[in-house]
Amino acid sequence: QLVDSGGGLVQPGGSLKLSCVASGLTFSDSAVHWVRQPPGKGLEWVGRIRSQSKNYATKYAESVTGRFTISRDDSENTAYLQLNSLKTDDTAFYYCCGPHATSTTSLDSWGQGTLVIVSS
Amino acid sequence: EIVMTQSPLSLSVTPGESASISCTSSQSLLQTSGNNYLDWYVQKPGQSPQLLIYLASNRASGVPDRISGSGSGTDFTLKISRVEAEDVGVYYCMQGLQSWTFGPGTRVEIE
Repeated sequence: QLVDSGGGLVQPGGSLKLSCVASGLTFSDSAVHWVRQPPGKGLEWVGRIRSQSKNYATKYAESVTGRFTISRDDSENTAYLQLNSLKTDDTAFYYCCGPHATSTTSLDSWGQGTLVIVSS
Repeated sequence: EIVMTQSPLSLSVTPGESASISCTSSQSLLQTSGNNYLDWYVQKPGQSPQLLIYLASNRASGVPDRISGSGSGTDFTLKISRVEAEDVGVYYCMQGLQSWTFGPGTRVEIE
């Protein structure tokens, strides 16, 4: 199970840090992805962080590269998404996701989502 | 970037009938392993998305066998047999071969 939190209202150019707490799965061995969804629109993959055994490698969508950073604290079973230089287009529900046990590119578990609103 | 397209973008189905959704990728999703890196997800009203089908044709845990996925390379299909009211939602295909990209979604409604 994944629980997202940290969303809220932020001004353009501002920053926010989202959290994703995992329970009931081998968090430290798993990658964590973030996916976002503007209200009433479709899904967009944001980025992912791999496990320690994969050197915590990160990968990001082009639309957020250089502005968003994914990190994790395995001791707390928590992953983070740092959002900087926010734009109004970043307004969305943000979901953290965990991989399928055998198809690791598939997103099998999803958080409930946390809403980020970028507005002045 | 691999671009995903879906058709139709909306679908109205009579309960008990079948529904099919097509998904096309701009590049082949077939790897030398024989796996097609194509998944299907559904987002039911007010809920987070959930995995339905992984690697083109494998049902995720708890998915009924009236839901099936097929296809290979660049062309894929999700079929829902004997549609029920609980199938209402938006269905997305997603490729996981090069980064991850979702299709635009297909809205399924019940007549």
